[in-house]
Amino acid sequence: TQLLEQSPQFLSIQEGENLTVYCNSSSVFSSLQWYRQEPGEGPVLLVTVVTGGEVKKLKRLTFQFGDARKDSSLHITAAQTGDTGLYLCAGVSPGAGGTSYGKLTFGQGTILTVHP
Amino acid sequence: DAGVTQSPTHLIKTRGQQVTLRCSPKSGHDTVSWYQQALGQGPQFIFQYYEEEERQRGNFPDRFSGHQFPNYSSELNVNALLLGDSALYLCASSPSGGELFFGEGSRLTVL
Repeated sequence: TQLLEQSPQFLSIQEGENLTVYCNSSSVFSSLQWYRQEPGEGPVLLVTVVTGGEVKKLKRLTFQFGDARKDSSLHITAAQTGDTGLYLCAGVSPGAGGTSYGKLTFGQGTILTVHP
Repeated sequence: DAGVTQSPTHLIKTRGQQVTLRCSPKSGHDTVSWYQQALGQGPQFIFQYYEEEERQRGNFPDRFSGHQFPNYSSELNVNALLLGDSALYLCASSPSGGELFFGEGSRLTVL
């Protein structure tokens, strides 16, 4: 069974602080994704990382994929209240039966609260 | 362009009953996946439909079944409901080989 462990589970910080969320896997996925989910909504894709050692930046968010493609991190610089939400990492498995995009295995999520 | 739409948004059932949830994919998407998200947890993969067939299945009992129609819309059926089936049920659609787009979910409460 493929598992993804996220840490920390809860994070409460002040506006302007930096933070890092970690995602560790027991196995290798074809790629890894980070999502953000707000209450009453479905997850929204932030980024997909594919290559070991890859670093992607999205404004104040920096995503890293470990060399062995089994761990990833999300770093937010100068957090804002609008960053509040549930952050989820997800490993992507290959598709089956004609599909090229398979199932996602999600971590349990990190609930981030940014206080003004 | 409408995104992924799900219905109903909320529903309450009692143990032993059956429920059907519906999903209309984003325009141009032919693949539909269903996920169960319990409170405080990440989503768990139930199954994926493509060309009206179940292509992949997660670790869920046979009480969970689905269907995909020729217009790519999909239904999730759950029989003999248990208290533990209470969750947010998410539908996600994607074009072949593409990014998943999630709907807002159907919140099921089993009493």
